[in-house]
Amino acid sequence: NAGVTQTPKFQVLKTGQSMTLQCAQDMNHEYMSWYRQDPGMGLRLIHYSVGAGITDQGEVPNGYNVSRSTTEDFPLRLLSAAPSQTSVYFCASMTSGIQETQYFGPGTRLLVL
Amino acid sequence: GNSVTQMEGPVTLSEEAFLTINCTYTATGYPSLFWYVQYPGEGLQLLLKATKADDKGSNKGFEATYRKETTSFHLEKGSVQVSDSAVYFCALSDRGFKTIFGAGTRLFVKA
Repeated sequence: NAGVTQTPKFQVLKTGQSMTLQCAQDMNHEYMSWYRQDPGMGLRLIHYSVGAGITDQGEVPNGYNVSRSTTEDFPLRLLSAAPSQTSVYFCASMTSGIQETQYFGPGTRLLVL
Repeated sequence: GNSVTQMEGPVTLSEEAFLTINCTYTATGYPSLFWYVQYPGEGLQLLLKATKADDKGSNKGFEATYRKETTSFHLEKGSVQVSDSAVYFCALSDRGFKTIFGAGTRLFVKA
């Protein structure tokens, strides 16, 4: 049981490039989410999904796209990277129960030059 | 809207000292409250949680009590160790799917 996995661990992009951050979980959790972590700001929700085929925006969705074709995978796409997207990105999953615990991946550190 | 406020860090303590990290929240309804811990280079992991007023969550010597009257969920440990050095996040969840995090408090424990 690997839990939540994320790839890559670290990525450097140039402004305007696109890329996809991968996230997978093997716990059969219905709920998955993407956060970004910036110094002094805690974690901010980018997008989330309550099941395959269902996604919605979080607090800071601009510049990011998501899709959820399977229960296991929830990729995050940066369409045209900007320096403001330099951050650490965490994927998390959770069962569908009310007020449950989230399980986090190890994170992807992204630097946009 | 819902929010979580926790004390700014960093907090620097000597080994075996007493730890308190303050957390207060604003929420409608009856949220669940959490403390997550992030060790260097890792993702967040649940430390403890409480789901209703007056509940006490505890784990690894850490404790926090859900105080509805003061809207607080302060984290405490009686004797910290160097291995407790990490960033601690207070969080709330009010409708199951959305968790709101505080800004995090970095703890350094010196030997």
